[in-house]
Amino acid sequence: ETGVTQTPRHLVMGMTNKKSLKCEQHLGHNAMYWYKQSAKKPLELMFVYSLEERVENNSVPSRFSPECPNSSHLFLHLHTLQPEDSALYLCASSQAVSGRAYNEQFFGPGTRLTVL
Amino acid sequence: KQEVTQIPAALSVPEGENLVLNCSFTDSAIYNLQWFRQDPGKGLTSLLLIQSSQREQTSGRLNASLDKSSGRSTLYIAASQPGDSATYLCAVRHGSGGGADGLTFGKGTHLIIQP
Repeated sequence: ETGVTQTPRHLVMGMTNKKSLKCEQHLGHNAMYWYKQSAKKPLELMFVYSLEERVENNSVPSRFSPECPNSSHLFLHLHTLQPEDSALYLCASSQAVSGRAYNEQFFGPGTRLTVL
Repeated sequence: KQEVTQIPAALSVPEGENLVLNCSFTDSAIYNLQWFRQDPGKGLTSLLLIQSSQREQTSGRLNASLDKSSGRSTLYIAASQPGDSATYLCAVRHGSGGGADGLTFGKGTHLIIQP
């Protein structure tokens, strides 16, 4: 257990569905991240939130919409996804200093997403 | 754009051997470097974090070194055990401004320790 939980662990959705991924951290951190892990590709950073403000959007399509209502929770809202969006989506958290994410990142177990 | 390369892509060795995993990165302006392990279907477990000002970190049978100027890091695993079988990932945190504080990952080394 890393102190970062993600739900659901597995999700199958059609291309016209709307779903949300949830991440919660119990470490007292104030920076949170979404990463995507596709087969045979390195983990890719999607979004960074530091002190509840989005500080990075790594050229992610608008069909992915993040939300960070407070420092402990992070959501990824999914809408009209494509089959190539099937991947493992990982959430991470760290402790930011002066608004810049700083130290060691701790990862959740991920949500395995399949888009039909 | 930062690129991280890990060599070898896969490694299979008998139990008890000492082994070295390699990581290289193209932009030496990093803030820190982190080694992770990932078990099949699972998330990432942080193993070691090396700040850019440090040369190495040790945790149990693991030792990670960092040569920032040459863009290299190694993860040394002593007396390997079957439980060490996993994919090992190297990731660097950018050191420049602009809020680019995410990690850039390599593709990983898939390690199998034979009993």
